[in-house]
Amino acid sequence: GAVVSQHPSWVICKSGTSVKIECRSLDFQATTMFWYRQFPKQSLMLMATSNEGSKATYEQGVEKDKFLINHASLTLSTLTVTSAHPEDSSFYICSASVGQGRRPLHFGNGTRLTVT
Amino acid sequence: SQQGEEDPQALSIQEGENATMNCSYKTSINNLQWYRQNSGRGLVHLILIRSNEREKHSGRLRVTLDTSKKSSSLLITASRAADTASYFCATVPNTGGFKTIFGAGTRLFVKA
Repeated sequence: GAVVSQHPSWVICKSGTSVKIECRSLDFQATTMFWYRQFPKQSLMLMATSNEGSKATYEQGVEKDKFLINHASLTLSTLTVTSAHPEDSSFYICSASVGQGRRPLHFGNGTRLTVT
Repeated sequence: SQQGEEDPQALSIQEGENATMNCSYKTSINNLQWYRQNSGRGLVHLILIRSNEREKHSGRLRVTLDTSKKSSSLLITASRAADTASYFCATVPNTGGFKTIFGAGTRLFVKA
């Protein structure tokens, strides 16, 4: 149980284009989802907390207009990287916990974004 | 990292040996968790220890927590080649909200 599916697993796009990444909770409802970014051989940096039916909460230093988050339903959150640049190339991972509270996170398998 | 540091950054051991990884954090926490990440994949939750607990076991894993020193350790006993992965500690601060903050991670390589 508690499966999180992330799509696509990898994407290559040209500078200036936008890319949408989907994160779905397959067998549970996720009121809150979290988006992380990970550079090679580094830790996960929390980008934003996605709340169903309301605006996302972004961490300091993360541009909300560049990384658009939409959490339209209890099972789907999307991250759109707008006007992508090569420096946006990274590994993006979403996660969710079952139920409310400070519980373990279930992660998607991540999306490798390469901007050329 | 956003929360703390882990050491060692990398660890190479022989199969059958024990592996110990340490984690330090900065703020008061509700709980501390350990995750495993295989290369290029998402993370898998291993174990959670609450702030009022000092030690916890799960199979070959043993986790300790010292809130006075703001540190934790993960011990993997009788390691296997399949344990090769990156291991991250993560904390849920008591600042409110539910966000989970990850440490820098330890890359473990177990040689067969």
